Amino acid sequence: DAGVIQSPRHEVTEMGQEVTLRCKPISGHNSLFWYRQTMMRGLELLIYFNNNVPIDDSGMPEDRFSAKMPNASFSTLKIQPSEPRDSAVYFCASSPFGVSYNEQFFGPGTRLTVL
Amino acid sequence: AQTVTQSQPEMSVQEAETVTLSCTYDTSESDYYLFWYKQPPSRQMILVIRQEAYKQQNATENRFSVNFQKAAKSFSLKISDSQLGDAAMYFCASHTGNQFYFGTGTSLTVIP
Repeated sequence: DAGVIQSPRHEVTEMGQEVTLRCKPISGHNSLFWYRQTMMRGLELLIYFNNNVPIDDSGMPEDRFSAKMPNASFSTLKIQPSEPRDSAVYFCASSPFGVSYNEQFFGPGTRLTVL
Repeated sequence: AQTVTQSQPEMSVQEAETVTLSCTYDTSESDYYLFWYKQPPSRQMILVIRQEAYKQQNATENRFSVNFQKAAKSFSLKISDSQLGDAAMYFCASHTGNQFYFGTGTSLTVIP
């Protein structure tokens, strides 16, 4: 298996622009997680899905952030409009067997820079 | 709310020696799981070891083992015979119900 795939790996954009991050979970995994990592705040869970349904989005910082999972093999995290403080590494992770106590498999991350 | 605390921002160890990374957590739940993840410079997060709270026996994976003290809510990671490839950020994490928490990480340096 190719593992969790994220694209793009790097994104540089200007303040006010829309940014879309993409994630393909491992086939057969039915839980998907979006995290944000910064030096100041560490690793934060933004939202997670179980069977394509958002379970907890309390970590989403504000209305500028939205996430979708239209099917079991694809999810997006959108920031509109983007701001410099959104600069971070965004990780997607997937896990098998629903919201259980299995490990999470992380993608390589997307490094977002908002100028 | 559940929190995970790693009180050591940085640690260093001589190659082939043993090092212990600390982690404490706070939860009111009786059923939960604990994890240690490794994040090397490549940024790829990799699971190192996991511990089920209901198990009294400490988990072990080759050179990696944990000291799980449930009453003290402590979950430390011991790395034996440290290797240069062990240099990375290490994150302690907990999972209970629908809640997932990560610590702030410990940066481990391995000295040749």
